[in-house]
Parts: sequence; structure tokens; C-alpha cells
Amino acid sequence: EDQVTQSPEALRLQEGESSSLNCSYTVSGLRGLFWYRQDPGKGPEFLFTLYSAGEEKEKERLKATLTKKESFLHITAPKPEDSATYLCAVRGGGADGLTFGKGTHLIIQP
Amino acid sequence: DSGVTQTPKHLITATGQRVTLRCSPRSGDLSVYWYQQSLDQGLQFLIQYYNGEERAKGNILERFSAQQFPDLHSELNLSSLELGDSALYFCASSVAGGANEKLFFGSGTQLSVL
Repeated sequence: EDQVTQSPEALRLQEGESSSLNCSYTVSGLRGLFWYRQDPGKGPEFLFTLYSAGEEKEKERLKATLTKKESFLHITAPKPEDSATYLCAVRGGGADGLTFGKGTHLIIQP
Repeated sequence: DSGVTQTPKHLITATGQRVTLRCSPRSGDLSVYWYQQSLDQGLQFLIQYYNGEERAKGNILERFSAQQFPDLHSELNLSSLELGDSALYFCASSVAGGANEKLFFGSGTQLSVL
């Protein structure tokens, strides 16, 4: 059974204070690792897909990296508008649908 | 705006009742997914349809059923409702339903079972 564990559950940062969110996973035959952002009262919004260890992707202040056991979402010099819940999900070879972690609730204080 | 429309936004009902949630996918998307989000379980995959046919099944209870119609909209039917069914139900769509396609989520239907 595919499993995804995200840490920390919640993170409060000052504006401009860089940090990283962790996503640890166990999966049979990784077909893709996904990061989504979810704002209150809205559905998740796609950020990145990573396919193999060593891969990195960037978008504005966010950079996602992947190893064989975990993924990191690095946030550089965050702004208050980056406040959201960040969800990690995997698609394994034997599973139907995505398996999501419970998310990291990120708050950026001005 | 993701382009995925879900109705209603909120639904309050009683135990034992039946409800129907509706989803219209993004224009051009052939695949629809249903997910359930609760505080303790997180986002759980329920079921996927592609062009009217069931493609994949996740943790969907036997009391729940879904279908996708010829115009590609989808409905999720929840029956014999229990308190524990209270959750946020999301619909998502993708172009062709491939394993690594990004999903576009609607804003969800908040179901409260009293």
C-alpha cells in the first residue's frame, strides 16, 4: 500500500524566511510524485510533477526536489501570499488514483 | 478558477438520507475523479471515470456510487448517510485520465450529516 507522510504538519515563518517542507513516501513503482497547493475553501491547485530521483523543478519562489524516499518543497524568501496548505501525492505502479499526504499548513507572517 | 464546477457548495442532511453531488469537468477533459477530504484521513481517492466508463476505483464505500454522462458531467450518489460521511467532496478532471496527468480540482461540496 502506498503511503505518504508530510512534515511538519504546520509551519509559521516570517516573510523572507526560507524553509523546506518534507514529503516521505513508500510506493511500489513510483510513476510520479505531485505537489499541490490548497487555499482555504478551494480545491488543490497543481504545482509540480517529479518522476525520478535527482529531478528538480522550480516555479517562482518554490523548488521541488526528489530522492528515492522523499521529496522536498523548498520555499525561498516567502511572501504572505504563499500561505496555504501544501499537499504531496504519489502515483504508484499498483495503485489507482493518487495517494495524498495530510499536508503542511504554511503561514507566512508579514 | 480551475474550470471545474461543483454543485452544491454546501449540503446539510440527516443520517439515513441520500444525496447527489454534481460535477462539470473542464471543457475538453474526458476524465473525472472524485475525492473525499476529511480532517483525519486527508484526501482519499474514491473513483475515476473516463469518457463515460469507470476506469479506476479507490476507497469508495458500497453505499456510494457514481456515473459519468454522455455530456461528460458526473454525479456522485451517497446513500444511507452516516455521521462519518461528513466531509468535503472534490471532483477533479484531466484531459485523458493518464497516470501522470495533472488534475484540476473544483472547489468542492461540503457535506454535513446531522
